[in-house]
Amino acid sequence: EPEVTQTPSHQVTQMGQEVILRCVPISNHLYFYWYRQILGQKVEFLVSFYNNEISEKSEIFDDQFSVERPDGSNFTLKIRSTKLEDSAMYFCASSNRGSYYGYTFGSGTRLTVV
Amino acid sequence: DAKTTQPNSMESNEEEPVHLPCNHSTISGTDYIHWYRQLPSQGPEYVIHGLTSNVNNRMASLAIAEDRKSSTLILHRATLRDAAVYYCILRGSGSSGDKLTFGTGTRLAVRP
Repeated sequence: EPEVTQTPSHQVTQMGQEVILRCVPISNHLYFYWYRQILGQKVEFLVSFYNNEISEKSEIFDDQFSVERPDGSNFTLKIRSTKLEDSAMYFCASSNRGSYYGYTFGSGTRLTVV
Repeated sequence: DAKTTQPNSMESNEEEPVHLPCNHSTISGTDYIHWYRQLPSQGPEYVIHGLTSNVNNRMASLAIAEDRKSSTLILHRATLRDAAVYYCILRGSGSSGDKLTFGTGTRLAVRP
């Protein structure tokens, strides 16, 4: 069964450093997403991406965040200057659009900011 | 966003059926009812979805009320691997766009 692959599985970074989280979505999907889950809290939407541009973003997704699909297969989330409160599990997902389709999520990257 | 209401937690015995309820009284005509689950330390996993008719797949069944204001996810024989948080989510084409809005879900415990 096709999978969404995320790397690394765990990243530790110092506050103020830049991090890039990587994802390989399912190859024939057209819509890509990042979600995050702070420990013990709900899964929260960050951003959706289609046709090489952001289609929707949440209030969490401020100027410190950016997304890119640099080569037609990878989908990345960059956090420019990490804060302690950015510590969370970050999940990538992909889908074919339309309410009919389900999402496929990756297994996540645990980001720890120290 | 149209909201869903689920019990915080439920328990089941292994190999018995489990019925997980969800209320969505403000559902719109174009909203699909999606169910996801999240096993411990993993990402959410798609389970099933439907619009009006009941649906079956290899993981579960989805029973949708005639007025669509509630639905029930049915696991026919619970296993220990089914212990997870189950989310009922409405996915439509309204102003909320394409994103999934997760609530707190139902935490299912399965007793051996």
